[in-house]
Amino acid sequence: DAGVIQSPRHEVTEMGQEVTLRCKPISGHNSLFWYRQTMMRGLELLIYFNNNVPIDDSGMPEDRFSAKMPNASFSTLKIQPSEPRDSAVYFCASSSLQGNIQYFGAGTRLSVL
Amino acid sequence: DAKTTQPTSMDCAEGRAANLPCNHSTISGNEYVYWYRQIHSQGPQYIIHGLKNNETNEMASLIITEDRKSSTLILPHATLRDTAVYYCIVRVAGGGNKLTFGTGTQLKVEL
Repeated sequence: DAGVIQSPRHEVTEMGQEVTLRCKPISGHNSLFWYRQTMMRGLELLIYFNNNVPIDDSGMPEDRFSAKMPNASFSTLKIQPSEPRDSAVYFCASSSLQGNIQYFGAGTRLSVL
Repeated sequence: DAKTTQPTSMDCAEGRAANLPCNHSTISGNEYVYWYRQIHSQGPQYIIHGLKNNETNEMASLIITEDRKSSTLILPHATLRDTAVYYCIVRVAGGGNKLTFGTGTQLKVEL
């Protein structure tokens, strides 16, 4: 299994631009999580889905952030418009509902100039 | 989820056992203790979890006190590649539940 696949690995954009981060969970997993990591705030959960349905989006910082999971094998995290304070590493993770282990992707390092 | 307390950093000599403590005095009866680690520039990696019995796998051992208010992760023979931030997390079991990360312990394994 290829594991959780995130793209792009690195993204550099200018303030005000739209950014879309992508995640492909492990096949057969039905829970998907988006995390953000910064030096100041550490690793924090943004949103998670069970069976493609958003369960908890209380970690989404503001309306500029949105996440979708149109099917079991794909999810996006969109920031529009992006701001310099959004610069961080964004991780996607997946697990099975019955399992206990979350598997993380390699992350997307976002820099907003 | 119950809050955990870990030392900020620890050092360990290569080849020796690394013992990482975690306090979780407010843990509930249905909450498990999970350990993840994050090697620099990588995503977090699952290590081990347990409810009340001690657990061992190919990576580590987990010792949970009888009152379940604290635990210790043991890496029996630490190597340089074990240098990472180790997170102790307490949560209800089930893949559909979120992880709440604290600040973790920065373990540095040295020659």
